[in-house]
Amino acid sequence: AQSVSQHNHHVILSEAASLELGCNYSYGGTVNLFWYVQYPGQHLQLLLKYFSGDPLVKGIKGFEAEFIKSKFSFNLRKPSVQWSDTAEYFCAGKKLQTGANNLFFGTGTRLTVIP
Amino acid sequence: DVKVTQSSRYLVKRTGEKVFLECVQDMDHENMFWYRQDPGLGLRLIYFSYDVKMKEKGDIPEGYSVSREKKERFSLILESASTNQTSMYLCASSLRGFLSGANVLTFGAGSRLTVL
Repeated sequence: AQSVSQHNHHVILSEAASLELGCNYSYGGTVNLFWYVQYPGQHLQLLLKYFSGDPLVKGIKGFEAEFIKSKFSFNLRKPSVQWSDTAEYFCAGKKLQTGANNLFFGTGTRLTVIP
Repeated sequence: DVKVTQSSRYLVKRTGEKVFLECVQDMDHENMFWYRQDPGLGLRLIYFSYDVKMKEKGDIPEGYSVSREKKERFSLILESASTNQTSMYLCASSLRGFLSGANVLTFGAGSRLTVL
């Protein structure tokens, strides 16, 4: 079965610290991978996505993620976090050529950035 | 610029009541989804629909049903609400197909349901 796991449940950082949130997916083959972000009181929005090609993908607000196929990982990174990055981050994925288009989501990582 | 609209942001219902959660999208997407979001559990898929009148069970369909009579509208129904259905419910939509772009979901703002 397809699954996505996020091992960090709550991360607390000071402003300007570097961020890396882990994400692992359970399936091989061609995959689509995503990071979504949910700011306090707001709806989930797409942060970045990987479909194919360059394994290093850049998203909004200075975030990037690297797809490492051999490690089944798609970790999210940002070199210097800001207070406004406080949010919950969800990794999601789907193996292509499988049925309908529902994504599998991780359990989320809550990021708190201290000013 | 609103694309996925959920009719109710907050609802409070009593055990045993019938609950309707409505979702409308204006992007002409074929796929629509209902997730519930609970702390520590992430997003879990309840039902999805890939076309009008078509529906598929997700991971946690028990206690829920859905209706899709029009392409733009997808309703989630709790026939007899229970306290363990207290949660945040998220509607999403996407294009259909196997192309990569079909997997990008657009979410609504969510409906927070409390069942007393």
